[in-house]
Amino acid sequence: KQEVTQIPAALSVPEGENLVLNCSFTDSAIYNLQWFRQDPGKGLTSLLLIQSSQREQTSGRLNASLDKSSGRSTLYIAASQPGDSATYLCAVSQGAQKLVFGQGTRLTINP
Amino acid sequence: GAVVSQHPSWVICKSGTSVKIECRSLDFQATTMFWYRQFPKQSLMLMATSNEGSKATYEQGVEKDKFLINHASLTLSTLTVTSAHPEDSSFYICSARRDLEPQNTGELFFGEGSRLTVL
Repeated sequence: KQEVTQIPAALSVPEGENLVLNCSFTDSAIYNLQWFRQDPGKGLTSLLLIQSSQREQTSGRLNASLDKSSGRSTLYIAASQPGDSATYLCAVSQGAQKLVFGQGTRLTINP
Repeated sequence: GAVVSQHPSWVICKSGTSVKIECRSLDFQATTMFWYRQFPKQSLMLMATSNEGSKATYEQGVEKDKFLINHASLTLSTLTVTSAHPEDSSFYICSARRDLEPQNTGELFFGEGSRLTVL
């Protein structure tokens, strides 16, 4: 059974810092991995999608990497801003697009 | 971008009543939609896969008679929580795959979620 773990569970950093969020999964047989953002009481916003054949994806200040063999992904956020404060979820797809989610990292960027 | 809309976003009901939540893909067709449940400060758990024109596929431990799913068109799936009880209070989120996306590797688009509170 696939298990997805995100570390840390919560992170608080000053504005402007670069930071890394971690995601690990137990079964490397995945089709893709997605990073999402969730604001309190809201749905999910897709940030980055990495196919299993890819190593990384970039969007603006966000960069996500994928090492399928070791079961790890990282989300790098450059020059963090208070508006980046949210819960970040990673999820892996194991076919038929059934996503298995991690518990999330609650990020707070302090002005 | 692809937009998925859920309605209502927030509902309070009395114990024993039934509540229907709608999930619509606004600008694309979606033969397949997914329903998730999220408890406070926990992650999303897949409840069922909704398929247009056929019965939904439920995950282990999810009562199909309790959570009725109807996918009547290529843009609409509904989740009905029947005879709701306080333990059904949760945040329900749907997602949809555009029919043009690859079945296994395509991107999923999520609704804004529906918060159900059962008194």
